[in-house]
Amino acid sequence: KAGVTQTPRYLIKTRGQQVTLSCSPISGHRSVSWYQQTPGQGLQFLFEYFSETQRNKGNFPGRFSGRQFSNSRSEMNVSTLELGDSALYLCASSSWTGVNYGYTFGSGTRLTVV
Amino acid sequence: TQLLEQSPQFLSIQEGENLTVYCNSSSVFSSLQWYRQEPGEGPVLLVTVVTGGEVKKLKRLTFQFGDARKDSSLHITAAQPGDTGLYLCAGALFVIQGAQKLVFGQGTRLTINP
Repeated sequence: KAGVTQTPRYLIKTRGQQVTLSCSPISGHRSVSWYQQTPGQGLQFLFEYFSETQRNKGNFPGRFSGRQFSNSRSEMNVSTLELGDSALYLCASSSWTGVNYGYTFGSGTRLTVV
Repeated sequence: TQLLEQSPQFLSIQEGENLTVYCNSSSVFSSLQWYRQEPGEGPVLLVTVVTGGEVKKLKRLTFQFGDARKDSSLHITAAQPGDTGLYLCAGALFVIQGAQKLVFGQGTRLTINP
C-alpha cells in the first residue's frame, strides 16, 4: 500500500512569507501528526489531527497552524516565516494496533527560509 | 525541556564491534519506539516495545524496555557498514481524549567503518 506522501519535498521561502505543506496519510489512517526536525532541537512535536480535529498541540507559536480534511489529508501552514523556521517538516500517519499506535513517517519537506 | 536523553550522540566504530545506545527519561511511557533515519528521508520504525522489561530482537539488533518503562537500550552485535545511520528513540505519551504524541531523543549518529 502507498506510504505517507508529503509535498513539496523542497521549498525555499523568504522571511515574512507564508508557506503551506501537504501530507497524504496511508489509506485508512485517520490520525496525522506533524514534527519539526532541526540539527539543534531534533524532532519536536507540532500538532496532531484526528478526524478533522486537532487533538494535541506542541509548544510552537501561533504562526504554526494546521488542518485536516475529510479524506484525512492534512496541511500545515507557517505564517510570517523566520530564519529559524528552516527545518525538515515531517508528517506521520498512525493507526491504533490494539496495543499502541503504529506510526509511518513521510520523507518530509525541507524548508529553507532566506 | 528534553524529556528523553539519548546517548551517545555520535558513535564511530569498526565493523564487527558491538555497541549500545541508551535512552533515559524521568517520564513513564506507554511504549518506546526505535527508528532509523537516512539523510533526506523520514524516520523508519524498527521496533516498538510496550511492556516493562520487554526484549525484542531484530537480527543483530536487540531492543530492551526498562522495567519501569522509563528507559530503553538498543544493542547491535557485530556491526556492519550497512548499520550506519541516525538512530532515534521515541517515547509515546498519552494526552487527552486518547491522543498520543511521540517525544524523541536527540538521536545517535552511528558510523560503522569497514
